[in-house]
Amino acid sequence: DVKVTQSSRYLVKRTGEKVFLECVQDMDHENMFWYRQDPGLGLRLIYFSYDVKMKEKGDIPEGYSVSREKKERFSLILESASTNQTSMYLCASSLLEGRNQPQHFGDGTRLSIL
Amino acid sequence: GNSVTQMEGPVTLSEEAFLTINCTYTATGYPSLFWYVQYPGEGLQLLLKATKADDKGSNKGFEATYRKETTSFHLEKGSVQVSDSAVYFCALRGGGYKLIFGSGTRLLVRP
Repeated sequence: DVKVTQSSRYLVKRTGEKVFLECVQDMDHENMFWYRQDPGLGLRLIYFSYDVKMKEKGDIPEGYSVSREKKERFSLILESASTNQTSMYLCASSLLEGRNQPQHFGDGTRLSIL
Repeated sequence: GNSVTQMEGPVTLSEEAFLTINCTYTATGYPSLFWYVQYPGEGLQLLLKATKADDKGSNKGFEATYRKETTSFHLEKGSVQVSDSAVYFCALRGGGYKLIFGSGTRLLVRP
């Protein structure tokens, strides 16, 4: 089974801090994704990566950046955290090719910015 | 562009009742369709998928049929259990990398 591991289940940070959320997958997937999930808004894509050092903006990239130095690891960075970034963050991975490939998700990180 | 529309929740049922959660989509070409489930405090798990018209995906007693003529992928289960209480997401993947998700439907099953 695919395993996607997010480094923290719960995280509390302060406004203005630089925050790192880490995600690791063990199935050699090319694609990795970061989403945020908010009540009533469903899942919104922040960034995704289809290869090492490659990234593309999703639907809501403002205030975030990402890093993918190794194939198995994809980091989400909040450059200067703000209270409106309090949310549940979900990482996912999938194989590169084929529209029938599902995404596999981690358990999520619930981030609170105070 | 591609989009997914799900029925709004919450859906509240008694144990052993029949479940339908409606999902319709708009897409160009021939997308693949997925249902994901999110249990409280957890991430999303793939529940089932269908990759072409008239395919039926099934898992854990849930099933959904890819209906191209009605652009629908409704989720059904004949007899729900309390343990099925969760949020259910319908999603599609077209030719690109992205999954397009519906807004989710919360199911609450009472004993």
